[in-house]
Amino acid sequence: KQEVTQIPAALSVPEGENLVLNCSFTDSAIYNLQWFRQDPGKGLTSLLLIQSSQREQTSGRLNASLDKSSGRSTLYIAASQPGDSATYLCAVGRSNDYKLSFGAGTTVTVRA
Amino acid sequence: NAGVTQTPKFRILKIGQSMTLQCTQDMNHNYMYWYRQDPGMGLKLIYYSVGAGITDKGEVPNGYNVSRSTTEDFPLRLELAAPSQTSVYFCASSYSLVRGDQPQHFGDGTRLSIL
Repeated sequence: KQEVTQIPAALSVPEGENLVLNCSFTDSAIYNLQWFRQDPGKGLTSLLLIQSSQREQTSGRLNASLDKSSGRSTLYIAASQPGDSATYLCAVGRSNDYKLSFGAGTTVTVRA
Repeated sequence: NAGVTQTPKFRILKIGQSMTLQCTQDMNHNYMYWYRQDPGMGLKLIYYSVGAGITDKGEVPNGYNVSRSTTEDFPLRLELAAPSQTSVYFCASSYSLVRGDQPQHFGDGTRLSIL
């Protein structure tokens, strides 16, 4: 069974600092990995999707890397802003049935 | 663009009552999903559907039922509400996952309390 862990559970940084969010998973036979953003009282918004054959994906200030052999993914957010405050979840797509296994998320607060 | 729409947004039920959570999507997605999110936990898959008329169980299906009569709609039914079903429920949809590059799109959720 795939276990997905996100540490730390919460993070507070001053505005302008770079954010590094970690995601680890136990089964390296993945199909893809997605990073989502969740604002309070809202649903999940897909930020980046990395296919199993890829090493990283970039979108604006966001960069996500994937290392299947070590079971890790990292989401980097450059030059953080108060608007980046949210919960970030990673989800791993399984190779046999494409279902997603979610981590519990990291709640980020960017202080102005 | 509507995307994935869930109704209601909030609901309080008494133990033993029944209700249906509605979900509709306008993106012509084949795949649809129901998740629940408990405080401090990741989302857990309840049921999913790969197309009209086809549904299957996820990780935590007990106490729930689904149907998929059209591509657009995927309602979730709670037959005998129990306090353990207090949670936030999310519906999601995606294109076929064969290519591995299709993200799931989520609704805003239904916050359900069973008292």
